[in-house]
Amino acid sequence: EAQVTQNPRYLITVTGKKLTVTCSQNMNHEYMSWYRQDPGLGLRQIYYSMNVEVTDKGDVPEGYKVSRKEKRNFPLILESPSPNQTSLYFCASIPGYGYNEQFFGPGTRLTVL
Amino acid sequence: QKEVEQNSGPLSVPEGAIASLNCTYSDRGSQSFFWYRQYSGKSPELIMFIYSNGDKEDGRFTAQLNKASQYVSLLIRDSQPSDSATYLCAVKAGNMLTFGGGTRLMVKP
Repeated sequence: EAQVTQNPRYLITVTGKKLTVTCSQNMNHEYMSWYRQDPGLGLRQIYYSMNVEVTDKGDVPEGYKVSRKEKRNFPLILESPSPNQTSLYFCASIPGYGYNEQFFGPGTRLTVL
Repeated sequence: QKEVEQNSGPLSVPEGAIASLNCTYSDRGSQSFFWYRQYSGKSPELIMFIYSNGDKEDGRFTAQLNKASQYVSLLIRDSQPSDSATYLCAVKAGNMLTFGGGTRLMVKP
């Protein structure tokens, strides 16, 4: 089944404890991105990647890191999480530039205490 | 800062009525426009996209785009309770996709 998976789905952590949220897609898509969703603010793009080893900042990259060493994986790293990073996170992928539909993962709800 | 604005709602319509959802955007260089539906606790799913001025119809859904007014809308005909969700407008310029805050639609039986 073609899909985007995220792990973990739910995470409660404490300020300053490094964490990684994994994202994997099995559709051989070139383009992947991370969003956070907060009430009333819609989805805001954190980082995106147009291909392996090619990443760029979105609208709200502060406090986040990403890497794209393999086409299928695009992990989101929070080196020192803070309470303002409490949010719902979505990973998404697109076959490539010019395609329209984003395939979203199921979301990861992160709480930073 | 590119902005995409939507009324947060809730927009309440009776079953069978037409629901009209609106979105404005600030970047005149925007090329593509999308409507996503998001049920509570779920990930967004694409309903429609539109590139050109005018209307685009797909079943009960019609997207309307007016680039001069920087305005895009979604009409849902014969609204059903299952259409109750949050509708996100998204605007693409270059490699960036910018989402609005979403409009919550409630369709009452």
